[in-house]
Amino acid sequence: GAGVSQSPRYKVAKRGQDVALRCDPISGHVSLFWYQQALGQGPEFLTYFQNEAQLDKSGLPSDRFFAERPEGSVSTLKIQRTQQEDSAVYLCASSVGGAIGYQETQYFGPGTRLLVL
Amino acid sequence: DAKTTQPNSMESNEEEPVHLPCNHSTISGTDYIHWYRQLPSQGPEYVIHGLTSNVNNRMASLAIAEDRKSSTLILHRATLRDAAVYYCIPPFGGSQGNLIFGKGTKLSVKP
Repeated sequence: GAGVSQSPRYKVAKRGQDVALRCDPISGHVSLFWYQQALGQGPEFLTYFQNEAQLDKSGLPSDRFFAERPEGSVSTLKIQRTQQEDSAVYLCASSVGGAIGYQETQYFGPGTRLLVL
Repeated sequence: DAKTTQPNSMESNEEEPVHLPCNHSTISGTDYIHWYRQLPSQGPEYVIHGLTSNVNNRMASLAIAEDRKSSTLILHRATLRDAAVYYCIPPFGGSQGNLIFGKGTKLSVKP
């Protein structure tokens, strides 16, 4: 069956440019997570959605980062006025239900590799 | 919060078993340990999870120490495709069920 997909797979942006990264979770999955992975590091949590509600955005590094999931399915992570330190792989993951605090199996997309020049 | 400790890297020969250790000394009695792995240029993928007794699935086995302060992920016959970073995930790392990855163990498999 279809897994989590992300687009674009690669994005090169000039510093100061706005970018939008898309995530298509597995159909019917309630929970959706965004992670940021710097080179040589493990993924780090950015934000969490339960359906269309953004329940946790504590990991977003600055107010230039914004995420939405308006209809409870597709999600977009937007970065405004990109900086070189935003260069990383952005991963999206989804899981079946909104069992908050319990670690359900998460299914990850391939990620979007963002390079800010 | 529960934390995990893993070696930074390990090497294995193809077709040989691999034992990837993880220490989680602060785990409590009802916490599951999860393992994920990340192949090059891919997102992480679930491998296995367990609570107390040993667990097996088609990908690997998980041996959990009796005191539950450590566990070992076992790949019975490593293949070149198993070369990846393996993450031992502490339970309840995030308030919303988000995973706390750390740096993991980078497994190299030699032909």
